[in-house]
Formats: sequence, C-alpha cells, structure tokens
Amino acid sequence: QKEVEQDPGPLSVPEGAIVSLNCTYSNSAFQYFMWYRQYSRKGPELLMYTYSSGNKEDGRFTAQVDKSSKYISLFIRDSQPSDSATYLCAMGPYGGATNKLIFGTGTLLAVQP
Amino acid sequence: DVKVTQSSRYLVKRTGEKVFLECVQDMDHENMFWYRQDPGLGLRLIYFSYDVKMKEKGDIPEGYSVSREKKERFSLILESASTNQTSMYLCASRGQIYEQYFGPGTRLTVT
Repeated sequence: QKEVEQDPGPLSVPEGAIVSLNCTYSNSAFQYFMWYRQYSRKGPELLMYTYSSGNKEDGRFTAQVDKSSKYISLFIRDSQPSDSATYLCAMGPYGGATNKLIFGTGTLLAVQP
Repeated sequence: DVKVTQSSRYLVKRTGEKVFLECVQDMDHENMFWYRQDPGLGLRLIYFSYDVKMKEKGDIPEGYSVSREKKERFSLILESASTNQTSMYLCASRGQIYEQYFGPGTRLTVT
C-alpha cells in the first residue's frame, strides 16, 4: 500500500462547479499537508499548505485536513477553465532537517467552459 | 517571490553521454531536491542536499550523482545517460515550513 493515495482522474466539471480533490494517507506522523497545481509541461506550483488538522482558505481555494480519518481535501469554488491542471497533494512529518515530502501521483482536472 | 531556475527546459542527449542538469535558487534555502516525474509514477526523489557539500540518496539514486558546491546551486549528473532516463526532471528547494518550491523542469530525452 502506498503511503499516499490519490485518484488520478481525469475529473471533468463544467465551469462554475465546486471541485473536490482528495488524498488519503497511512502514516499518522504526517503533520504538514500541501497542495500543488501543475500545468502541462511545467513545474508544480505551491497552492496551499496547512499544519495539523483544520481548514485553510485562500480565495476560491479551501484546504481541509482530517487527521482522524487520514484524509485531506482541496475544494475549488467557482471553478474556471484556467484551473484545468494536475493537482498534487504532498505531506510530511514534523521535525528533522532532512525530512522529505511524500507526494500523491496527482489528479487531472478539466474545467469545461 | 520565490525563484528556482533550471538550466534547460528541453534537452536531447545520446546514450552514453554525460549529462549535467543545473538548478539555482535565490531564497537562501538549505535544502534542495532533485526529482524525476513519469506518467503514472508521480514524483520520485533522486537525491537531496541539506547543506553545502552534503547529500543523501533518495528513492531512485542509481545512475545519478549530485554536486552542491554553493548553497544556491544543486547539480544533477547522469554519468552515462540511458534511454530509461528519459523523463521530466524537477528541482526544488525547501522553505521554513517544509514546503517545497519547484523549478520549471527539464524535459530530457535520451536517444
């Protein structure tokens, strides 16, 4: 079993829809959670990061962490065609200079105009 | 703004050639990483460095080496390129809260 599981999609939604992207994980030591957006043939771009449980909002994006269920989500409100990209979740434990992030394989999102 | 740059966007090399990929960050970060990204396999960590001249193997170090002579620069070296090293190579540096910032990537083709 992988440490981080993410549905690869593709997920196709109409413009204006609310999008829900999710990851599950197995390592209870994970404390930091991040979401990246990656356009085709580009490097991943950091969207949001959260520490421990709870919600964080930034414009149309909301990141949610449920540590009891080992489940994280990214919600996109009023989705736009420019949101079409691959979304990667990433997470890691607290502490240590050499701690690495574990990435999901990404969900491909297509927002149809 | 955070800035990570990579020396080439696209590179075509022949089997057996020595290949150098360079990465530069301007954020004074101590930790830097090299990944490769392949369809269906996601991001796989090749090597990382937590200080100048310090390096550690990641999950797939075979066939690669790295160099970090200056804090801002982290190089990935393919000693003898092979076709199975055709991939997208991504460099990242790590901020204060473990978040990583990525460069634009180098798409390497080995023929």
